Amino acid sequence: SQQGEEDPQALSIQEGENATMNCSYKTSINNLQWYRQNSGRGLVHLILIRSNEREKHSGRLRVTLDTSKKSSSLLITASRAADTASYFCAGGSGTSGSRLTFGEGTQLTVNP
Amino acid sequence: DAGITQSPRHKVTETGTPVTLRCHQTENHRYMYWYRQDPGHGLRLIHYSYGVKDTDKGEVSDGYSVSRSKTEDFLLTLESATSSQTSVYFCAISEGSSRSTDTQYFGPGTRLTVL
Repeated sequence: SQQGEEDPQALSIQEGENATMNCSYKTSINNLQWYRQNSGRGLVHLILIRSNEREKHSGRLRVTLDTSKKSSSLLITASRAADTASYFCAGGSGTSGSRLTFGEGTQLTVNP
Repeated sequence: DAGITQSPRHKVTETGTPVTLRCHQTENHRYMYWYRQDPGHGLRLIHYSYGVKDTDKGEVSDGYSVSRSKTEDFLLTLESATSSQTSVYFCAISEGSSRSTDTQYFGPGTRLTVL
C-alpha cells in the first residue's frame, strides 16, 4: 500500500502563480522527500525535510512537515511553464539508507 | 541521470519468458533499488540491495528476483513474465550514509511490455 497520498491529483495554474501540493503519510518516517518527474523520464530529487524539522526552503521551493498530522506540503512560488511535471512525495524510513514509500503524485500543469 | 544507466530501455516479450533488466552505476553508491511505476500506484519498491550479495524484498517482490555480484550492477529478473508485470521499471541508487538525509538518484527507466 502507498504510504503517501497526495492532494490534489492534478493542478493547473498560470505562470507566475504559486502551486501548493499536499501529502499525507501513514507510518513513522525519518524524513519526507519530494521528487519531480518529467514525462517519460526518471525522478529527480527536489528537497528533503527531516522528521525533526518543520519547514525548509530551497530556491522557489518551500516544504513543511507536520508530524502530528502526518502531513507535508510543497509550495512552488512564481511558477514557470518549465515546472510542468509530476511531483511525488516519499516517506523515508529504515535503519540506514532510505527506503522510500511514494505517493501517487500530483500532475502540475503551468500554462504560459 | 547521475551516472545510472538501465538496459534495455524498451522490451517487448511474451508471457512465460524470462526477462532480466540491468542497472549500472558509476557512483560507487552502497544502496540500489528497483521500483515499478504503474498508473494509479505511483512507484512501488520491488527489491533493494544494501551491498554486494545483500538484498531484501520490497512491497511488491512476488515474481521478481535480484542479484548484485558487483557494487556497480543490480539485476532484476522476472523468471516467467506475466502480463501484470507490464510496467515501467526504475532503478535508483543512494549513498546510504545517513537514514535522516539519504536521497535517491534515479535511472531513466525501462519500459517492459509482456504480451
